[in-house]
Amino acid sequence: EVQLLESGGGLVQPGGSLTLSCAASGFTFNSYGMGWVRQPPGKGLEWVSGTTATGGNTYYADSVKGRFTISRDNSKNTLYLQMNSLRVEDTAVYYCAKNRGSGGSNLDYWGQGTLVTVSS
Amino acid sequence: DIQMTQSPSSLSASVGDRVTITCRASQGISSWLAWYQQRPDKAPKSLIYAASSLQSGVPSRFSGSGSGTEFTLTISSLQPEDFATYYCQQYVYYPFTFGGGTKVEIK
Repeated sequence: EVQLLESGGGLVQPGGSLTLSCAASGFTFNSYGMGWVRQPPGKGLEWVSGTTATGGNTYYADSVKGRFTISRDNSKNTLYLQMNSLRVEDTAVYYCAKNRGSGGSNLDYWGQGTLVTVSS
Repeated sequence: DIQMTQSPSSLSASVGDRVTITCRASQGISSWLAWYQQRPDKAPKSLIYAASSLQSGVPSRFSGSGSGTEFTLTISSLQPEDFATYYCQQYVYYPFTFGGGTKVEIK
């Protein structure tokens, strides 16, 4: 059974930093691309970032480019999202999701999400 | 960036109704389109990929069609568990953008 478990969310002040983690199990982690999607309270889904199976290629939404960094440790079956220079508008539930393929593709399994609140 | 526009933004329907949701892309995306279902306070769930391929385990009452810029998600006979919000997503050009969502409510 595919399982994705996010952690690391919480309350942070504007301008601060936070790192999210996503522990994966139930599939061959190093064979699949992975991504992060966020959802502000009461709003729709926003694709944030994605990476290929090896981590050699990374992609970002314009809204987070230069502030967020996606990475993965295939030896630990874990995906990360380093978030710097956080803004109030980054407040959202952040979901980790597995790609159906090794590169960019649809997201076939999702974690339960972790809430990030940016507020003073 | 490719803009994805869903219509309607919400609809009311009864159990047993046939429901159709439309998604339009601002430029051609071939068949690189997915549909997701999100129930209240739950994570999204994959329904359809490649515009018309059903994700494993998804009931056959869900179907998708279209290519290029216009796509549809159809629920042939609405069930109580189908009341949720539905999103389309293109995954051919980064950033992979979502539509604004369609909320399906009980009439």
